[in-house]
Amino acid sequence: EVQLVESGGGLVQPGGSLRLSCEASGFSFSRYKMNWVRQAPGKGLEWVSYISPDSDRTIYYADSVKGRFTISRDNAKNSLYLQMNSLRAEDTAVYYCVREGGYSSGYNFDYWGQGTLVTVSS
Amino acid sequence: EIVMTQSPATLSVSPGERATLSCRASQSVSSDLAWYQQKPGQAPRLLIYGAATRATDVPERFSGSGSGTEFTLTISSLQSEDFAVYYCQQYNDWPPKTFGPGTKVEIK
Repeated sequence: EVQLVESGGGLVQPGGSLRLSCEASGFSFSRYKMNWVRQAPGKGLEWVSYISPDSDRTIYYADSVKGRFTISRDNAKNSLYLQMNSLRAEDTAVYYCVREGGYSSGYNFDYWGQGTLVTVSS
Repeated sequence: EIVMTQSPATLSVSPGERATLSCRASQSVSSDLAWYQQKPGQAPRLLIYGAATRATDVPERFSGSGSGTEFTLTISSLQSEDFAVYYCQQYNDWPPKTFGPGTKVEIK
């Protein structure tokens, strides 16, 4: 069974930092593209960042987080990370770890974690 | 960046009735359009990709159609478990893979 379990969320002051982790199991993590997607309270979904599975580590960020957030992965530990610096109130959201599936899902977001809440407030 | 819009924002439907949700892209996305369902307190679930292909284990009452800039998600006979928020997402031109603002399907 595919599982994605996020951790690391919490309350942080504006300007602070937080590192989210996502532990994957039930599939060959190293073969899959991974993403972070967030959802502000009562709002819609916003894609945050993408990382390719392989050594060239193609990485993309939403403009809203570029220069502040860093995505990374450790395939040996089946883990995905999101380092978030210079946090702002508008970064308050549930952050989902999301797998980008293969052919059977049209290479879309086929598995999501349960999410971890990040609250940026003084 | 491709902007996705959805209508209506809220759809009130009685159980057993048909629901039709619309999604529009600011420019053509071909058939690179997915639909997700999100129930309260849960993560989204992939329903439809390629505009019309049901994802694994998605009931046949869910169907998608459209191409280019206009798309539709139809739920043929609403069941109690279908009351949720539905998001469309384009993946033709990315990053970013943009989502629509969502349509909430509520019980009438």
